[in-house]
Amino acid sequence: NFLLTQPLSMSESPGKTVTISCTRSSGSIASTYVQWYQQRPGSSPIILIYEDRHRPSGVPDRFSGSVDSFSNSATLTISGLKTEDEATYYCHSYGVNHQVFGGGTKLTVL
Amino acid sequence: EVKLVESGGGLEQPGGSLRLACVSSGFTFADHAMTWVRQAPGKGLEWVSGISASGGSTYYADSLKGRVTISRDNSQNILFLQLRSLRADDTALYYCAKWSTATTLLGYMDVWGKGTMVTVS
Repeated sequence: NFLLTQPLSMSESPGKTVTISCTRSSGSIASTYVQWYQQRPGSSPIILIYEDRHRPSGVPDRFSGSVDSFSNSATLTISGLKTEDEATYYCHSYGVNHQVFGGGTKLTVL
Repeated sequence: EVKLVESGGGLEQPGGSLRLACVSSGFTFADHAMTWVRQAPGKGLEWVSGISASGGSTYYADSLKGRVTISRDNSQNILFLQLRSLRADDTALYYCAKWSTATTLLGYMDVWGKGTMVTVS
């Protein structure tokens, strides 16, 4: 089984851009799709990015995803930060018959 | 509107059992895989179990294998999770989530319920 490692916390100012990384411990990051979920305080998670880079309808294009085989990492980029983006972000991928979540990155926007 | 409503949580003693349920509406339940994810207070998301659309394939986290059983009733649009031999570290908010596909081997969790709280003490 592999692990997905994310930074514990990040902070940035409104209007700026932030990138959150998700590094796979073993096996290629490109071998299975990566998803990103947003969880605001007191709320259930919602899907932000699926299959590495695709946005479900309703998700603003300020959110984008990418995968880098060289660093074996996936990245969530949020541009034009808004205070409403303050949340915890989780990456997710598939193992063999199981699912793996990253530990989550708490983003503070101030 | 797609809706998932979990129930069955509560306060249980160590060693006890609970059966969680997730009632689904607003989509063709029998066409989608489903999953349970839990979140301990102040902690991250932990995948618990998944089941294919037909119910023919089930998957469990290694940390819980042998103590949990996932099942579904496609005629009633209900997902279940049986938890046994409960321990204090099972204390968590248990979410049910709908998968975008018929199998959890692909796709993603596109709709989540609000969760049901299980406290073991």
